[in-house]
Amino acid sequence: GAGVSQSPSNKVTEKGKDVELRCDPISGHTALYWYRQRLGQGLEFLIYFQGNSAPDKSGLPSDRFSAERTGESVSTLTIQRTQQEDSAVYLCASSPRVVGSNQPQHFGDGTRLSIL
Amino acid sequence: SQQGEEDPQALSIQEGENATMNCSYKTSINNLQWYRQNSGRGLVHLILIRSNEREKHSGRLRVTLDTSKKSSSLLITASRAADTASYFCATDGSDYKLSFGAGTTVTVRA
Repeated sequence: GAGVSQSPSNKVTEKGKDVELRCDPISGHTALYWYRQRLGQGLEFLIYFQGNSAPDKSGLPSDRFSAERTGESVSTLTIQRTQQEDSAVYLCASSPRVVGSNQPQHFGDGTRLSIL
Repeated sequence: SQQGEEDPQALSIQEGENATMNCSYKTSINNLQWYRQNSGRGLVHLILIRSNEREKHSGRLRVTLDTSKKSSSLLITASRAADTASYFCATDGSDYKLSFGAGTTVTVRA
């Protein structure tokens, strides 16, 4: 597709359930990022994937959060045993990777997660 | 942690007026980027300014960077209703990780 695609766009679930969020990056973009955005706030880095390198998981807030990426394509973010404080918009971004130079990131429209 | 901090938090202007927002950061950077976020949407990249640049233009946007003061400004000239959005600055702490501020919410009144 032309842009970063995320699904679902909205997810409402009960506390304690597991959720899986999906991100399709722009074709050819080797770098993929997940962020969390609480209402009225900035973006909180969660995890970064770059090609076949080990991901940078330093932003994951707890062991209930995990993410996977298959090669340089789709990524899934999984939240187990959801809590009310997990309610937020989860944004995915991708970018080409140029060594030694930061690249603009291209964002999807996010998944709005609401935990009841 | 958030490296960049935008000021003001919110701004309301009349259509046709200019809007200026500022970003301050704490540690040295390679680049600084500005993004726009419309309500319910993802972020859209506006402009990237490198640490050795002082000013950059893109259409109605002008970005300045003062590395001695660790600050940047974004100016939107001749604002339009479509400019209503939140604007974020982002700084790089490494060659791949960006730190975003909490944003400035701009409302352009018709």
